[in-house]
Amino acid sequence: DVKVTQSSRYLVKRTGEKVFLECVQDMDHENMFWYRQDPGLGLRLIYFSYDVKMKEKGDIPEGYSVSREKKERFSLILESASTNQTSMYLCASSPGTGVPEQYFGPGTRLTVT
Amino acid sequence: AQTVTQSQPEMSVQEAETVTLSCTYDTSESDYYLFWYKQPPSRQMILVIRQEAYKQQNATENRFSVNFQKAAKSFSLKISDSQLGDAAMYFCAYRRTSYDKVIFGPGTSLSVIP
Repeated sequence: DVKVTQSSRYLVKRTGEKVFLECVQDMDHENMFWYRQDPGLGLRLIYFSYDVKMKEKGDIPEGYSVSREKKERFSLILESASTNQTSMYLCASSPGTGVPEQYFGPGTRLTVT
Repeated sequence: AQTVTQSQPEMSVQEAETVTLSCTYDTSESDYYLFWYKQPPSRQMILVIRQEAYKQQNATENRFSVNFQKAAKSFSLKISDSQLGDAAMYFCAYRRTSYDKVIFGPGTSLSVIP
């Protein structure tokens, strides 16, 4: 079974802090994704990566950056957390070649106070 | 740009009955993938079913089946013999290729009444 893990289920941070959210997958997947999920808005793509050290902006990249130094790990960085970044963050991975479905992590509920 | 619409924010169904969740999408592509994902309360999102646009036959996975109408750009999910464990948020999603980003709809919250 594919396993996608996220470093924290719940996180509380203060405004202005630098926040790191980590995601690890164990199936050698090419693609990795970061989404934020808010009620009524569904999943919105922040960034995705289709290979190591490659990244592309999604629909809402402002205020976020990412890092993918190793194939299995994809980090989301909030440079200076703000209250409007309070949300559920979901990481996903997908194999890439010919297999289009995504596998999701359990999510991190981030609260910025 | 591709979009995915789910017009039913909330739905409910009696246990053992059948329910259909609606999804429409917009694309100019002829080949693509469509998905239904399920997110139970406080649990991980999982794939329910996948449909390749080039296949005319509707996908089926046990009690879950789809009605894929390519010309109408419609992709509905039918859940038969509903069970309490089917209660969840259901997301319809579109992906052009296995390397592209995925476009999600806003979701439908399904309640199952005992």
